[in-house]
Amino acid sequence: EVQLVESGGGLVQPGKSLRLSCAASGFTLRSYSMNWVRQAPGKGLEWVSYISSGSTNIYYADSVKGRFTISRDNAKSSLYLQMNSLRAEDTAVYYCARDLSAGSPFFDYWGQGTLVTVSS
Amino acid sequence: QPALTQPASVSGSPGQSITISCTGTSSDVGNYNFVSWYQQHAGKVPKFLIYGVSNRPTGVSNRFSGSKSGNTASLTISGLQTEDEADYYCISYTSSNYVVFGGGTKLTVL
Repeated sequence: EVQLVESGGGLVQPGKSLRLSCAASGFTLRSYSMNWVRQAPGKGLEWVSYISSGSTNIYYADSVKGRFTISRDNAKSSLYLQMNSLRAEDTAVYYCARDLSAGSPFFDYWGQGTLVTVSS
Repeated sequence: QPALTQPASVSGSPGQSITISCTGTSSDVGNYNFVSWYQQHAGKVPKFLIYGVSNRPTGVSNRFSGSKSGNTASLTISGLQTEDEADYYCISYTSSNYVVFGGGTKLTVL
């Protein structure tokens, strides 16, 4: 059974950093490209970042470019999101989501999400 | 501001059909068949509903169907059921930055 489990969320002050993790199981992570998607409280879904299976291609939403860094460790079956210079508007549930196949933007499996709250 | 435009809300009665539109541009919906749809019940994780404009993943009811014309993709739900009440989101590949989301549509089953 495919499972994605996010962790690392919590309450953090503006300007600080946080690192999210996504543990993958039930499939071979190195064969899939992955994404982070977030959802602010009461708002819609927003794509955050993409990383190809071999980390060759990486993309970011304009709203996080220069502040967030996506990475992966296929040997550990893990995906990461390093979030720096956090702002109140980054407050959201963060989901990791798998692409149906390499480079195809169809998110077939999602984790349960981890809540990040940026507040003083 | 979401790049793809969806109606904020739609409604229908049980048994009826409804259609949710998703309008983009020639840089996304209009030029690629990489459109997908997701269903999200309140407080739940989004569910993969449609991909490649009109394909259903295994296990998704055939009451859900997708189509596209020009810069607008559409999700049609036939034979509405109370459990269809949820938020629906479209996503498209975009030449500018991998993917863009629609703002979401709240479906109310009256």
